[in-house]
Amino acid sequence: SQTIHQWPATLVQPVGSPLSLECTVEGTSNPNLYWYRQAAGRGLQLLFYSVGIGQISSEVPQNLSASRPQDRQFILSSKKLLLSDSGFYLCAWSFRPGNTIYFGEGSWLTVV
Amino acid sequence: QQQVKQSPQSLIVQKGGISIINCAYENTAFDYFPWYQQFPGKGPALLIAIRPDVSEKKEGRFTISFNKSAKQFSLHIMDSQPGDSATYFCAASMDYKLSFGAGTTVTVRA
Repeated sequence: SQTIHQWPATLVQPVGSPLSLECTVEGTSNPNLYWYRQAAGRGLQLLFYSVGIGQISSEVPQNLSASRPQDRQFILSSKKLLLSDSGFYLCAWSFRPGNTIYFGEGSWLTVV
Repeated sequence: QQQVKQSPQSLIVQKGGISIINCAYENTAFDYFPWYQQFPGKGPALLIAIRPDVSEKKEGRFTISFNKSAKQFSLHIMDSQPGDSATYFCAASMDYKLSFGAGTTVTVRA
């Protein structure tokens, strides 16, 4: 069976500091990978998706970037965090091809 | 611009009652419509999904009704239980990317 791991689960970072959230998927190969953000009490916004190593598509212009150094690894980064980057970040995956998206447990980011 | 509009924002239902959540979309290129259930502090989990060539799908107490001509779909939770208290998101998929509704917080009172 497939599992998705995302870490860290929570973090508090000062404004202007860097960010790195990591996600790995086990039990499958060549998955589509996604990063979503959920603001408090809001819906889910697609930030990035990837269909293969080194292939990243950005959905919204922002202070964040994503990378996929290995087939089942997806990293969300920022060089300098803003207060508005606070939120619940969710990594997700799907089979390729496949419509069903499976989410990780999420990472709570508070920028202070 | 939100591609999927979801209502209501929240609802309260008595145990054993029916919860109904509605969603509407504009883009006819969407080809897959899942519903997700999210508990506080957790990632969303797939609940049930439907394709536009089907008008209704039922899994246990959960039913999706789909109206292609009206570009609307809804989730019905029958015999609602306190354990169903969660936030529910509808979504629509195109090119393997999901667009989500804003979510509905369902509270089931015992």
